[in-house]
Amino acid sequence: EPEVTQTPSHQVTQMGQEVILRCVPISNHLYFYWYRQILGQKVEFLVSFYNNEISEKSEIFDDQFSVERPDGSNFTLKIRSTKLEDSAMYFCASSPKGQFYGYTFGSGTRLTVV
Amino acid sequence: DQQVKQNSPSLSVQEGRISILNCDYTNSMFDYFLWYKKYPAEGPTFLISISSIKDKNEDGRFTVFLNKSAKHLSLHIVPSQPGDSAVYFCAASLNRDDKIIFGKGTRLHILP
Repeated sequence: EPEVTQTPSHQVTQMGQEVILRCVPISNHLYFYWYRQILGQKVEFLVSFYNNEISEKSEIFDDQFSVERPDGSNFTLKIRSTKLEDSAMYFCASSPKGQFYGYTFGSGTRLTVV
Repeated sequence: DQQVKQNSPSLSVQEGRISILNCDYTNSMFDYFLWYKKYPAEGPTFLISISSIKDKNEDGRFTVFLNKSAKHLSLHIVPSQPGDSAVYFCAASLNRDDKIIFGKGTRLHILP
């Protein structure tokens, strides 16, 4: 069964450093998303991406965050200057045509900012 | 602002019995509702969805009920099995192409 792949599974970084979280969505999917889950809290929407551009972003997704689809297969989330409160599980998801079909989520990247 | 609320952080159910997970929402404009299941160290997995034009959707052991007037939905699992032990997220969106908004989740324990 096709799956969304995220790397790395765990990333530890120093506060103020830049991190890039990588995702390989399912190949024929058109919609891509990043969500995050701070420990013990709900899964929060960050950004959606369609047709090579951001279609929607949340308040969390400020200027420190950016997304890119550099080569037609990878989908990356960059955090320019990490803060302690960025520590969370970051989930990438993709769907073929809108959410009604149900996103397929990756296993997540646990980001720890120290 | 919690638009999707799961008020029970955890639930324990005997194997073979019915598990009922509840969810309330505040935004009457939500048009689609979904349930996701999550095991530790994995991403959420889509389980079942329902459109606002329906009040029930069934898929094997899983049934979702929607009460729009009460802004309430529930997931029934019958019979409950050990592999059902997981965190269940209720989610909603305004339309099929919009972002999904998740609740905080309910941890379901199936007891032997």
